[in-house]
Amino acid sequence: NAGVTQTPKFQVLKTGQSMTLQCAQDMNHNSMYWYRQDPGMGLRLIYYSASEGTTDKGEVPNGYNVSRLNKREFSLRLESAAPSQTSVYFCASSLGGSGSEAFFGQGTRLTVV
Amino acid sequence: QKEVEQNSGPLSVPEGAIASLNCTYSDRGSQSFFWYRQYSGKSPELIMSIYSNGDKEDGRFTAQLNKASQYVSLLIRDSQPSDSATYLCAVNEVTGGGNKLTFGTGTQLKVEL
Repeated sequence: NAGVTQTPKFQVLKTGQSMTLQCAQDMNHNSMYWYRQDPGMGLRLIYYSASEGTTDKGEVPNGYNVSRLNKREFSLRLESAAPSQTSVYFCASSLGGSGSEAFFGQGTRLTVV
Repeated sequence: QKEVEQNSGPLSVPEGAIASLNCTYSDRGSQSFFWYRQYSGKSPELIMSIYSNGDKEDGRFTAQLNKASQYVSLLIRDSQPSDSATYLCAVNEVTGGGNKLTFGTGTQLKVEL
């Protein structure tokens, strides 16, 4: 039982390049989330998907797009990377509903140069 | 104003003491509250959840919730060096798009020998 799996773990991009961060969960969870974490800023929500087929913006969506490919997979795309997007990115999933806890992937450390 | 507020710390306590971590939130409609622990370079992991006013105890950890004051706290009794980590408060908010989990910036706890 892998839980939440993110790929890649590390990535270096040049400014203007694009890339997609992949996330998959095997817990049959309904809701999935993408967060970024910067020093002193905590976890900030980029996008979330409450259920398959729906996506919504979070606190910091600019510069990102997402796709809920199916119930298991939720990808995050950077179309034109900027140095301000250097961060650690976490994917998380939960059953959904107000009382459900979130489980996190191991994170992707992204550096944009 | 951020929706979930925490003192960033660091909070330093001696080994064996009680560590008290606090969190306030702005959405009066929130019903679910979580405490996550995050070691440096690792993913957040859930340590406590609380849904009703009052105290909830689990081993050395006690979560306290006061919805009227919009206040959540975490007490760690008999603090150990292994408790040194960043503690993140999370609040579940019900939105038009479904439930989303919003985090505070985290409080860094240092337990000193």
